[in-house]
Amino acid sequence: NAGVTQTPKFQVLKTGQSMTLQCAQDMNHEYMSWYRQDPGMGLRLIHYSVGAGITDQGEVPNGYNVSRSTTEDFPLRLLSAAPSQTSVYFCASSYSRQGGNEQFFGPGTRLTVL
Amino acid sequence: KQEVTQIPAALSVPEGENLVLNCSFTDSAIYNLQWFRQDPGKGLTSLLLIQSSQREQTSGRLNASLDKSSGRSTLYIAASQPGDSATYLCAVRDGSSNTGKLIFGQGTTLQVKP
Repeated sequence: NAGVTQTPKFQVLKTGQSMTLQCAQDMNHEYMSWYRQDPGMGLRLIHYSVGAGITDQGEVPNGYNVSRSTTEDFPLRLLSAAPSQTSVYFCASSYSRQGGNEQFFGPGTRLTVL
Repeated sequence: KQEVTQIPAALSVPEGENLVLNCSFTDSAIYNLQWFRQDPGKGLTSLLLIQSSQREQTSGRLNASLDKSSGRSTLYIAASQPGDSATYLCAVRDGSSNTGKLIFGQGTTLQVKP
């Protein structure tokens, strides 16, 4: 199993540009989520999905869109990048939203918005 | 609101020493507690998962305990090695939230000196 994979590893954008961060998992997990990690703020939940076709907002959803057309993939779209979105983005997955399921994280995407 | 605190923020020890990292949380309504390791510029690697009904979990030189009633967990690392140098994060899966999110502490940065 490859686990949770993310592409790209690094990205530099200019303010106003859009892009999609890719996330995929091969563990047949129903629950997938996106976090951003910032110094002094820790990891914060952006969006999550409990299955194909179902997504919902986390703590900091503004400026981001998600979709879940398959169980495996959960892309995160930045609509119009802003410097405040400079961060490290992690995708995570687990079998379900609730219960004692272990969550697995991808290697992260390091995004800089100029 | 669930809050997770890790003490100390940083720790430096000589190789071979046994050490304890502390994690506390304010609300005992959790599904589980997970310990992660994060190397600089890398993703989160899951080390141990403790279900809310469990008291401890062991993996190799690592032992994690959970006292849900007092809101505390410890990660014990035996015979520390320079390769253990990393940031260790604890996270709880909040039982009062339906988002499935993990709530993270700020981490303990460990340096093991040869």
